Amino acid sequence: AQTVTQSQPEMSVQEAETVTLSCTYDTSESNYYLFWYKQPPSRQMILVIRQEAYKQQNATENRFSVNFQKAAKSFSLKISDSQLGDTAMYFCAFITREYGNKLVFGAGTILRVKS
Amino acid sequence: DGGITQSPKYLFRKEGQNVTLSCEQNLNHDAMYWYRQDPGQGLRLIYYSQIVNDFQKGDIAEGYSVSREKKESFPLTVTSAQKNPTAFYLCASSIAPPHGYTFGSGTRLTVV
Repeated sequence: AQTVTQSQPEMSVQEAETVTLSCTYDTSESNYYLFWYKQPPSRQMILVIRQEAYKQQNATENRFSVNFQKAAKSFSLKISDSQLGDTAMYFCAFITREYGNKLVFGAGTILRVKS
Repeated sequence: DGGITQSPKYLFRKEGQNVTLSCEQNLNHDAMYWYRQDPGQGLRLIYYSQIVNDFQKGDIAEGYSVSREKKESFPLTVTSAQKNPTAFYLCASSIAPPHGYTFGSGTRLTVV
């Protein structure tokens, strides 16, 4: 059963604008860890941001921030001031004991930043 | 610099042959993982190992085998039993949950 759902297969955004990528997940646990990974055309997987479920404060890394809604099991990624280098596939993923402490990925969202 | 090295970057296999993908890390990570990536799909776990000389099947282990004789190395063999091996393969390592994974640059395997 798919436990991480990214409902937007593809998105596009103009350079310098803001875009939000959606992610929902399913777990019965109260403590877990959520991640967003970026995979540019080089196909190298790069960790963008990490959130611990027991922390209510949303994680932020420079232009990247998350909106973590624990009750709704939602973990969206906001990219501000989009740059051409942000063009990539973005994967939402999580780790829980329920799934053996292994990273489980969504299907990904292709983001294209246009000039 | 510490990191994960996957080789080769591109690999071609004839049907009926076994091939081995290399994965080496110098991060001193205990756990290592192999994922398969197909177009339009996320990463699917093939095998993982949390300590030397021990490994477990992931979600799609059929047709694959691994070994973990050294902490630094976790090679993946794609056997002739794997019916659809053409894919992009990613190796990763981690200190321990809940940290994220560090990934290698991948191997593109094509059956010819």
